[in-house]
Amino acid sequence: SYVLTQPPSVSVAPGQTAKITCGGNNIGSKGVHWYQQKPGQAPVVVVYDDSARPSGIPERFSGSKSGITATLTISRVEVGDEADYYCQVWDSASDQAVFGTGTKVTVL
Amino acid sequence: EVQLVESGGGVVQPGGSLRLSCAASGFKFDEYAIHWVRHAPGKGLEWVSLISGDGESAYYADSVKGRFTVSRDNSKNSLFLQMNSLTSEDTAVYYCAKDRGSMWPNSDYWGQGALVTVSA
Repeated sequence: SYVLTQPPSVSVAPGQTAKITCGGNNIGSKGVHWYQQKPGQAPVVVVYDDSARPSGIPERFSGSKSGITATLTISRVEVGDEADYYCQVWDSASDQAVFGTGTKVTVL
Repeated sequence: EVQLVESGGGVVQPGGSLRLSCAASGFKFDEYAIHWVRHAPGKGLEWVSLISGDGESAYYADSVKGRFTVSRDNSKNSLFLQMNSLTSEDTAVYYCAKDRGSMWPNSDYWGQGALVTVSA
């Protein structure tokens, strides 16, 4: 089955930039989506289709993709950005959606 | 305003069955696919199932295939997940989530979740 690999944790100081990577075989041919989940809450999509940002999501959140890696960048990090972040793709080979392993972002 | 409300969660014994429901409002229900996603305690998000807007196509994660069945009643703007042969591994908060409808399946609106606990 298709696997998406993320670093377990990323730590960043307020005002700095956090980068969360998501690696997967042939990820270049798939649309990548990113979700933010805070404890006890439902996930919220912060980036979809690689780099599109839903209305209401700050411009500080951006997505990119290069080679076998997709990246979520959070600029000017705020304390409120502390959460778990998951990448997700649709694997056409298996007709299944796949979530990444998840990254806990800690704001120091 | 788009709203998704899950119900039907609870405690069930191993080997038992449970049926989750998801009531939707605020969008044209039959035009959108709907996902089920679960979050087990201490673990990451896991996609469970997707059903097309017309209910004709359904897709499942390997971990639930053959045990879970997704269905929908477009006349009642409702979605269902029938879960059979439950094990402790199925203990999780289950979310229904509307698909955005863009080129690649992804979820733009989520319910608040329903807790399913499989325990003797």
